[in-house]
Amino acid sequence: EAGVAQSPRYKIIEKRQSVAFWCNPISGHATLYWYQQILGQGPKLLIQFQNNGVVDDSQLPKDRFSAERLKGVDSTLKIQPAKLEDSAVYLCASSLGVAGGLSQRDTQYFGPGTRLTVL
Amino acid sequence: GQNIDQPTEMTATEGAIVQINCTYQTSGFNGLFWYQQHAGEAPTFLSYNVLDGLEEKGRFSSFLSRSKGYSYLLLKELQMKDSASYLCAVRDSNYQLIWGAGTKLIIKP
Repeated sequence: EAGVAQSPRYKIIEKRQSVAFWCNPISGHATLYWYQQILGQGPKLLIQFQNNGVVDDSQLPKDRFSAERLKGVDSTLKIQPAKLEDSAVYLCASSLGVAGGLSQRDTQYFGPGTRLTVL
Repeated sequence: GQNIDQPTEMTATEGAIVQINCTYQTSGFNGLFWYQQHAGEAPTFLSYNVLDGLEEKGRFSSFLSRSKGYSYLLLKELQMKDSASYLCAVRDSNYQLIWGAGTKLIIKP
């Protein structure tokens, strides 16, 4: 079974530029997550989708970050404009989820991440 | 607020046993996860505990005490490839995962 796919793996941009990340979850997984992980810290949830609806985006800096999951499968995360403090690894994860609720375990599986450097 | 505490770094010797502790204070509890993360790679799932007690999976075991807000990950017969960060995460009453900062485990020959 194919895992979570992400691209690009690495991206270097200058501050105030724009960048977009792509994620393809494990087939059949209804729930998709975008995390930001700064070196030496645990992942920080940016946004969670259940199919193509947003479940939680309370920690997404909406003035510069946006995300969409059209058709409930692939997702893109965009930063516009980027700041120096956005330098981090952006992780996409997916889980089975359950329509109308969550299974108790609902393990999240992660993609390889995109390492973003903002200069 | 919600909080997960883990030691920042631990060192152990190849072939030995190490215990990585995790204490948590969260709004509700719906399971605790341990993930392994090698440098520059994504976290990979290791174990899940929702009931008190020990879950054993090969060289790795995970223990949970809900009344104490405490878990540990036990790694036996340490190998060099076990050098990684170990992340503890708790699912709260809103089914959101609250993550610890991770414990960097260094294995020495």
